[in-house]
Amino acid sequence: GAGVSQSPRYKVAKRGQDVALRCDPISGHVSLFWYQQALGQGPEFLTYFQNEAQLDKSGLPSDRFFAERPEGSVSTLKIQRTQQEDSAVYLCASSLVGQGLANYEQYFGPGTRLTVT
Amino acid sequence: GQQLNQSPQSMFIQEGEDVSMNCTSSSIFNTWLWYKQDPGEGPVLLIALYKAGELTSNGRLTAQFGTTRKDSFLNISASIPSDVGIYFCAGQHSNSGYALNFGKGTSLLVTP
Repeated sequence: GAGVSQSPRYKVAKRGQDVALRCDPISGHVSLFWYQQALGQGPEFLTYFQNEAQLDKSGLPSDRFFAERPEGSVSTLKIQRTQQEDSAVYLCASSLVGQGLANYEQYFGPGTRLTVT
Repeated sequence: GQQLNQSPQSMFIQEGEDVSMNCTSSSIFNTWLWYKQDPGEGPVLLIALYKAGELTSNGRLTAQFGTTRKDSFLNISASIPSDVGIYFCAGQHSNSGYALNFGKGTSLLVTP
């Protein structure tokens, strides 16, 4: 497919469990973003990668959140010891931004809905 | 992040009507983007704006980058039932790198 894909689409975790969410960006996009969207709210920025480098992680809410993109393509967002307040939709977006173009458009995947019980 | 205020929060209109919604910020943005999100899906990019005063169309959608760079407007003409969804504005500010700041969305309902 040509778009951003995410897996799993739905994840139910018991409080205290660790989870890993995967994102496959659009081929050729060096920039990748993670956002968190609470119910009834707009997405909120978590972290940004350019290739394999994590250039901005200012939005990660706690040290239980960790993201990686070791080969500059697929990215994984990991949440350790999940809490109920982590329940949200986690969106991944990829972009051409940072590739020498004045193009800040970000293209989103379908998201992973995480429910912590 | 920067606070974006979107209005109205929701709209309930009849098919065929025109729709206007807007987004304001207390800070200047370099880029404005408008997205539509359907239930259970990710936001889909509708229009991107890069210059103050810029007016851009995409089919029945028209968006403008405000001249003060602190606001943006989205208009939908002759609405149809498939326009139903949540519309988000998003801004990019030089102080926030490439991250997008989103509003809380405008929920649009269209009755046949």
